[in-house]
Amino acid sequence: NAGVTQTPKFRILKIGQSMTLQCTQDMNHNYMYWYRQDPGMGLKLIYYSVGAGITDKGEVPNGYNVSRSTTEDFPLRLELAAPSQTSVYFCASSYGGEAAFFGQGTRLTVV
Amino acid sequence: KQEVTQIPAALSVPEGENLVLNCSFTDSAIYNLQWFRQDPGKGLTSLLLIQSSQREQTSGRLNASLDKSSGRSTLYIAASQPGDSATYLCAVRGNQFYFGTGTSLTVIP
Repeated sequence: NAGVTQTPKFRILKIGQSMTLQCTQDMNHNYMYWYRQDPGMGLKLIYYSVGAGITDKGEVPNGYNVSRSTTEDFPLRLELAAPSQTSVYFCASSYGGEAAFFGQGTRLTVV
Repeated sequence: KQEVTQIPAALSVPEGENLVLNCSFTDSAIYNLQWFRQDPGKGLTSLLLIQSSQREQTSGRLNASLDKSSGRSTLYIAASQPGDSATYLCAVRGNQFYFGTGTSLTVIP
């Protein structure tokens, strides 16, 4: 089972550049989430989706966009990257109120 | 807004010792609580899930309890091993998952 797959694993961006973090899951989960993890700060929710075509903002959505055109994929778009977006990004999925499964993360540095 | 706190922030124990990690949350209206393990530079690995109607769950040397009314959960690790060294995170599920900042565990051989 592949579970939740994130690409890329590492990326360095220059200020003002844009990029898309990819996330795909093969468990037919309806819920998908994007979190960022900063040292000592815990995980903060950026966006989440309860199903294809439905997305909603989390705690820290500014500077990000998402789409959910299929059950499997939930890409996160960064527009005009800023140093404050340097972080580790995690994608996760779950089926309803069941356990959440996480990807291995994308470590992003904005310079 | 749900607030999740984990105490202690760091813990160092000799191999073989039994230990307890604590998690507290402010809003008892949760669907479930999940304990994760995170190794340095890695993703989160699910350890145990406790539904809101349950009191505890066990997996091998791990036992997690949930007292929803008091907003507390504990993760008990029996006979700790150096391979248990990692950061342990708890997350409570309301309309989203709310995470604590974790307990960094070091088991000394």
